[in-house]
Amino acid sequence: QVQLQESGPGLVQPSGTLSLTCALSGGSISSDSWWSWVRQPPGKGLEWIGEIYPSGTTHYSPSFRSRVTMSIDKSKHQFSLKMTSVTAADTAIFYCARNPCSGGSCFSAFESWGQGILVTVSS
Amino acid sequence: QSALTQPASVSGSPGQSITISCTGTSSDVGNYNFVSWYQQHPGKVPKFIIYEDTKRPSGVSNRFSGSKSGNTASLTISGLQAEDEADYYCCSYAGSVTPYVFGTGTKVTVL
Repeated sequence: QVQLQESGPGLVQPSGTLSLTCALSGGSISSDSWWSWVRQPPGKGLEWIGEIYPSGTTHYSPSFRSRVTMSIDKSKHQFSLKMTSVTAADTAIFYCARNPCSGGSCFSAFESWGQGILVTVSS
Repeated sequence: QSALTQPASVSGSPGQSITISCTGTSSDVGNYNFVSWYQQHPGKVPKFIIYEDTKRPSGVSNRFSGSKSGNTASLTISGLQAEDEADYYCCSYAGSVTPYVFGTGTKVTVL
């Protein structure tokens, strides 16, 4: 059973850069899966941020495209998110999630989720 | 790319059936058979309960069922139970450039 665990600073300064990592256990980051980041502001709904494939191919939501970068480190079985120019509106729980694929087709759904990490943007 | 539209809240009595709608466009819900649904209890991680419009992952109760007509997908919970009280989110695939969009979320209350 794949397990995901987010890590990173819980407090980021306004106008700074948010950096998070998602570590995988119980499976391979190089497996046929897309790895996503989803966030949830306090008391609000889920927002898809972007995804990365083991090849390094990425897709981002238009809402975040200008200030988000995702990367993958196969040797450490983890993938990462960087979000620049953060404001208080970026305060949220950030989740990493897996969309598994098989035989050329993907679930196109988020089968496994990390526990989430609360990131607060404040001085 | 706008969020999919869901009712803010739906309620029902134990044993009843309720349906949550999820309205998108011909660019997402109406164009692909890839609507998924997630259940989220307060303070908990979202749980995947429906994928590919109508399919249930193993271990998910058969009281949950998905359907779709045109640009609107629906989640039906039959035999409503107290434990079903939670927030529910739909999500649709929307193409290779910007693959996913979530719904606005629906709070289900068991009366």
